[in-house]
Order: sequence, then C-alpha cells, then structure tokens
Amino acid sequence: GAGVSQTPSNKVTEKGKYVELRCDPISGHTALYWYRQSLGQGPEFLIYFQGTGAADDSGLPNDRFFAVRPEGSVSTLKIQRTERGDSAVYLCASSPIGLAVTDTQYFGPGTRLTVL
Amino acid sequence: KQEVTQIPAALSVPEGENLVLNCSFTDSAIYNLQWFRQDPGKGLTSLLLIQSSQREQTSGRLNASLDKSSGRSTLYIAASQPGDSATYLCAVNSRGAQKLVFGQGTRLTINP
Repeated sequence: GAGVSQTPSNKVTEKGKYVELRCDPISGHTALYWYRQSLGQGPEFLIYFQGTGAADDSGLPNDRFFAVRPEGSVSTLKIQRTERGDSAVYLCASSPIGLAVTDTQYFGPGTRLTVL
Repeated sequence: KQEVTQIPAALSVPEGENLVLNCSFTDSAIYNLQWFRQDPGKGLTSLLLIQSSQREQTSGRLNASLDKSSGRSTLYIAASQPGDSATYLCAVNSRGAQKLVFGQGTRLTINP
C-alpha cells in the first residue's frame, strides 16, 4: 500500500515569506507526527496529532510555526515569516494508534526547506 | 529530559564483517526503541522495534538488543554488504510522551 507522502519535496523561499508543507499519512493511521532534521543531526520532534487534535506541540520552536489536521488525515505545517535558521528537512510520520508500545512510526521522504 | 547518544558517529568496514552499532539513552522509562536506516537525501526506514518488555528483535541479518536498566541498545549486522551503507538512527519513545527522541546517527560505510 501507499506510504507516507509529503509535498513539495523541495521548497526554496525568501526570508520573511510564508510556507506550507503538506503530509499525507498512511490511510487509517490515527497518529501523525512532524519532525525537523538539520544537516548531520537526528530528527527533532515538533508536534504530534492524535486524530484531529494536537496532543503534544511542545517541540514547536516558536509561534511562527503552526500545524493543523482538520479531518484527521492530511496535515499541513505552516511557517510564518521564515528565517534562514528554519532551513532543514521537515519529516512527517504516521502510526496506527499512537498510544501503544508496539506502535511503529512510518516516515515520509521529507520536504527540504531552504530559506534564502 | 530523554537524551540519546550513538557511538561511533561514523564507521567504515570491509564487506563481509559483522559489526555492532551502539545506542544509549538516559531515561529508562520507555515504551519502545526503534532502529531506523536513512539513505542520503531520503526519509527514514524502520528496521526493528523493541518493546520495553523485550530483550531483542531479529530481522534477517539484523539483531537489535535492549538493556533498559542500563539504558543501552545495540544493533548487530551480520555479514555486512555494500548495500548496508547508510546512516543508522536509534530512537526512543518515552513513557508519557508520544514522540521519538533520536540519536545523531552512525554513518556506516561498507567497502567492497
């Protein structure tokens, strides 16, 4: 079956602009996660959705970052007034339940964001 | 705060060797631990998931162990092949927090 998909694969924007990154999780997966990966580092958690609600947004770096999942499937990560430090690969993952010791997170290919 | 460390940062070995990658974490209150593989410019592929109550998991030439009390996991790769070259990431899912905390990864190169 189809895995997690993310669009666009690459996004180049100018400092100060607004961007939206989209994630399509595996069909039927209740939990959805956003991570950010800087060059040479492991991914860092941003936000976790259980269904439509953000169950944990403690990883969002500041109020320029916001994410939604209005119908419990597709999610959009929104970044306002982008800064050069926002440049990274943004990874989305989904898992079947999100509240089980057996829950495996499945990752998408990521969106590479470059802020000039 | 959970912290995950992977040693070594990079490893280069000749084809055919058995090798071990190490992962340590600071808080033993975990749901599970996952090992991932990441190819350059790609997303993460889940290799193995070990539940907190388990000691090891095996998949093909891969074997992952978990010692929760000491905060350690190892990924054993048998009979390494050039196609195993990638970055291997360890991630911990802590109790009470539905999120993965990752190590920085080990960049593995298998030389033909």
